[in-house]
Amino acid sequence: ETGVTQSPTHLIKTRGQQVTLRCSSQSGHNTVSWYQQALGQGPQFIFQYYREEENGRGNFPPRFSGLQFPNYSSELNVNALELDDSALYLCASSLDSIYGYTFGSGTRLTVV
Amino acid sequence: GQQLNQSPQSMFIQEGEDVSMNCTSSSIFNTWLWYKQEPGEGPVLLIALYKAGELTSNGRLTAQFGITRKDSFLNISASIPSDVGIYFCAGQLGGAQKLVFGQGTRLTINP
Repeated sequence: ETGVTQSPTHLIKTRGQQVTLRCSSQSGHNTVSWYQQALGQGPQFIFQYYREEENGRGNFPPRFSGLQFPNYSSELNVNALELDDSALYLCASSLDSIYGYTFGSGTRLTVV
Repeated sequence: GQQLNQSPQSMFIQEGEDVSMNCTSSSIFNTWLWYKQEPGEGPVLLIALYKAGELTSNGRLTAQFGITRKDSFLNISASIPSDVGIYFCAGQLGGAQKLVFGQGTRLTINP
């Protein structure tokens, strides 16, 4: 049973650029959530996808968007990057969002 | 938005000591989860609690779901060096999707 894998592991972008982060969910999981974790803080919910549809969104602006694919993998896209977007972005997958979430190791995004 | 207050923020203990940390909320949750995060890794689930008053153990770890559904605690007995890390509580509402995390408790152990 493979866990949640995220790519890339580290990324440096310039303010104003766009970025795409990728996540492969754990085998058998149909729900993917994305979280932003600033340094020294707990993860903050960005949004969740269930069977390819957005199924809940946190307090993040529209420039944060996502996709889920038929194989339940997912992408997080962030447009017009700002310095405050620098954080660890975590992907978590689950089965029907009720049996606990398995987190990936995250993508460390630095915006300069 | 919703926030969980987790305390203490950090702990410095001797190997072999017991550890206790807790989490409180102004809102009710139907599920409480405790995660551990190590440097360069994502959070790893330690214990999940699904019923008010529930007391659950996982090896040297014990967690309880508060009766009011607004709090939870985690105890670690006889700490060892590999217990070092940041511990997060997280709450989840029934029927909702997101996890609401606390700010974390950083555990440091002196051998």
